[in-house]
Amino acid sequence: DAGVIQSPRHEVTEMGQEVTLRCKPISGHNSLFWYRQTMMRGLELLIYFNNNVPIDDSGMPEDRFSAKMPNASFSTLKIQPSEPRDSAVYFCASSLLVGLTDTQYFGPGTRLTVL
Amino acid sequence: EDQVTQSPEALRLQEGESSSLNCSYTVSGLRGLFWYRQDPGKGPEFLFTLYSAGEEKEKERLKATLTKKESFLHITAPKPEDSATYLCAVQAGDKIIFGKGTRLHILP
Repeated sequence: DAGVIQSPRHEVTEMGQEVTLRCKPISGHNSLFWYRQTMMRGLELLIYFNNNVPIDDSGMPEDRFSAKMPNASFSTLKIQPSEPRDSAVYFCASSLLVGLTDTQYFGPGTRLTVL
Repeated sequence: EDQVTQSPEALRLQEGESSSLNCSYTVSGLRGLFWYRQDPGKGPEFLFTLYSAGEEKEKERLKATLTKKESFLHITAPKPEDSATYLCAVQAGDKIIFGKGTRLHILP
């Protein structure tokens, strides 16, 4: 199995631009999670989906952030407009069972730099 | 407020020198405690899940234990390849909260 796939691996953009991060979960997995990792705040859960349905988006920092999961094999995290404080590593993870308790498998992350 | 605190922030050990990493938590309604390993430039890799006080799990040189207030990750006779950041996370209700991790460096 290829594991969780994220693209791009690195993204450099200018303040005000739209950024779209992409994730392909492990085939057959039923939950998908988006995290953000910074030195200051550590790893934070932004939003997660069960069976393609958003369950809890309370971790999404602002309305500038949005996430979609149009089907079981693809999800996007969009930031519009981007700001320098959004610079971080964004991880996608998936798990076989729905909910937070099952083992999560993380992707390699997207390092976002907003200038 | 739900909190997860890991200590120490960083730890340097000689190869073969056993030690323990601590994860203390103050949450209501603990549903699970997780340990992950993260190598530089990579995503976290799952190690263990513990569900109730008194539970223990082992994998190679690692052993995780859980009490009502904290969890320990014991590393026995570590090798240089055990160098990584070890993350603890707690599920409380419908939330999952990560600690900031312990950076472990094993010197050959």
